[in-house]
Amino acid sequence: KNEVEQSPQNLTAQEGEFITINCSYSVGISALHWLQQHPGGGIVSLFMLSSGKKKHGRLIATINIQEKHSSLHITASHPRDSAVYICASQGTDKLIFGTGTRLQVFP
Amino acid sequence: GAGVSQSPSNKVTEKGKDVELRCDPISGHTALYWYRQRLGQGLEFLIYFQGNSAPDKSGLPSDRFSAERTGESVSTLTIQRTQQEDSAVYLCASSLALGTFQPAFFGQGTRLTVV
Repeated sequence: KNEVEQSPQNLTAQEGEFITINCSYSVGISALHWLQQHPGGGIVSLFMLSSGKKKHGRLIATINIQEKHSSLHITASHPRDSAVYICASQGTDKLIFGTGTRLQVFP
Repeated sequence: GAGVSQSPSNKVTEKGKDVELRCDPISGHTALYWYRQRLGQGLEFLIYFQGNSAPDKSGLPSDRFSAERTGESVSTLTIQRTQQEDSAVYLCASSLALGTFQPAFFGQGTRLTVV
């Protein structure tokens, strides 16, 4: 059974700090998703990774297939980055979601 | 289309009314998934389609929930006699196929509020 674990569960940071959120999964997957859920509830797909590294603006996502681990990094964090970040692993059909990391960035 | 589209983006309905949520997947994607997230809870799987068929309906929370897909395209999630506990963000995703390793693409969700 595939399980997805995220850490930390909660994270607070000062504006400008570099942030890392980690995600581990237990079985081989086809893709790893990072999602962002805003306080209002809307969910945005940030990245979909099957290998290596992707970058979009201040966000960077990496995945290590051998270690079954992915990280989401936020550089120069800003209060508008405050949200819940969710990773989800994808096998052959449904996705398995982590419980999310609640990030608060203070000015 | 360019991405997965869900409508409406927000829906407020009175308890006891029926609602329909729509998902337009990426053209050519044969697999389609519905998830939901209730306030303060994690995302939960509801149902998936391979083509127009839904092999596994065990994730639907009650018999008030139903879903269909036509033309291997648009899918509708219907909730009958809505209850307050149905309030949630309903998320749709699609992928090229099941059974092969294909990435899934997400819509932005429908926020349903039952008052």
